[in-house]
Amino acid sequence: GAGVSQTPSNKVTEKGKYVELRCDPISGHTALYWYRQSLGQGPEFLIYFQGTGAADDSGLPNDRFFAVRPEGSVSTLKIQRTERGDSAVYLCASSSGLAGLSDTQYFGPGTRLTVL
Amino acid sequence: AQTVTQSQPEMSVQEAETVTLSCTYDTSESDYYLFWYKQPPSRQMILVIRQEAYKQQNATENRFSVNFQKAAKSFSLKISDSQLGDAAMYFCAYRALNNAGNMLTFGGGTRLMVKP
Repeated sequence: GAGVSQTPSNKVTEKGKYVELRCDPISGHTALYWYRQSLGQGPEFLIYFQGTGAADDSGLPNDRFFAVRPEGSVSTLKIQRTERGDSAVYLCASSSGLAGLSDTQYFGPGTRLTVL
Repeated sequence: AQTVTQSQPEMSVQEAETVTLSCTYDTSESDYYLFWYKQPPSRQMILVIRQEAYKQQNATENRFSVNFQKAAKSFSLKISDSQLGDAAMYFCAYRALNNAGNMLTFGGGTRLMVKP
C-alpha cells in the first residue's frame, strides 16, 4: 500500500484479556517501530525491528508486551493480561532502513486501545 | 539519555499570521537528526520538516522553516501564512545518528490553534 496501515483502528477490551494489534508497513521498508502514546503526551518508543528480528526492545514496559515480525513485513504487537494502564494509542512506523536522514520514519494512523 | 522539551502546551495564531513553536533538547551526541511532526485529530503523524545537526543551514519546506541553534540545543518551528489546516498537535523529535535502534525521542507536544 501507499502508507503504513494499522488494524484495528479502535479496540476495546476488558482487564485481563489478551489483544493483538497489527501493523502493515510501507512496501519495501525493512525497519519497523512501535510507539505508545498516552493521552496528552508524545509517543514513547517500544520496540524496533530490522527485518525479522527485534533489534531493540528496550522500550517494552514489561513481559506482558511482545511483538513479532515473522516474515519481515507485517508486525503484530501482543499484550497479555491487559491492564487499565495499557490504554493508549499504539503507533507503528516504518522506514527504509538505510543510513542517514533518508531513514525517516513514516507513521500509521494508530490503534486506540481502551482497557475497561 | 536524550530528552526533548516543548515548553508551550498550547499556541494560538491568527490565520495568515506567523507563529513559532519552541523545542529544546538535551544530548551528549554531536551528530543527530531533528524532526517536527504534525498530528491532526486523525492521529496520523505527518513529517513536517527535518534537520541534520551537522548542517548549519536551517531547513525550510514551503511555509515551514526551522531555527536550529546547536549550541543552545534549540530547534524551533516557524509557520508562515498560517492556514486553518495547520491546526494540530506538533511534536518535536530527536534521533541519534549512530544509534542502532534509530528510535525517535519525542517532546510532549504543542497544540496549535488557528483562528479564522
